[in-house]
Amino acid sequence: DSGVTQTPKHLITATGQRVTLRCSPRSGDLSVYWYQQSLDQGLQFLIQYYNGEERAKGNILERFSAQQFPDLHSELNLSSLELGDSALYFCASSVGLAGGPPYEQFFGPGTRLTVL
Amino acid sequence: DAKTTQPTSMDCAEGRAANLPCNHSTISGNEYVYWYRQIHSQGPQYIIHGLKNNETNEMASLIITEDRKSSTLILPHATLRDTAVYYCIVRVADYGGSQGNLIFGKGTKLSVKP
Repeated sequence: DSGVTQTPKHLITATGQRVTLRCSPRSGDLSVYWYQQSLDQGLQFLIQYYNGEERAKGNILERFSAQQFPDLHSELNLSSLELGDSALYFCASSVGLAGGPPYEQFFGPGTRLTVL
Repeated sequence: DAKTTQPTSMDCAEGRAANLPCNHSTISGNEYVYWYRQIHSQGPQYIIHGLKNNETNEMASLIITEDRKSSTLILPHATLRDTAVYYCIVRVADYGGSQGNLIFGKGTKLSVKP
């Protein structure tokens, strides 16, 4: 158990719909990362938040958005869903952004999204 | 981040050491080598990291060549539960907010066989 929790574990929805994935980081971790894993693209970084602020963006579609709340939990919002959005979505957390060695990231169990 | 090259797959007998190689010939002086693994659709799991010295923890050992262009992850006594995809990743040391994310390649699928 990494200490990172994600809900729901599974989500089945239809094209065009909107869903919200939730992540609670490990206690004390300030950074939250979202990754998408699909069969053809592998694990890809989407976005990072640090203490409530967006810090880095990866291959995140405009239809997707995220935020980190004052209690440090994060939500990933996916809208106008397409079949190709079906994937595993992982959240990870790490201590923070201080200089020195990059801190290891601890991953949650993921949310499996199926778009029909 | 520098690019890494890993074999697509490897087999290992249970109880034997598993040695997983990684090439990172373009690694920069301020980049660390990190290893993660992913056991069948679970979230990736951190294993170990290093800069230039060899490192050991309760899970594995990391051997980095003197020129830092390659490294080897060693699982000393592989078990069936070590069957997973192993990812070698290089990351900058001082990330001021934009390099904190991990860039995953395809990794090495390690199959531990009885």
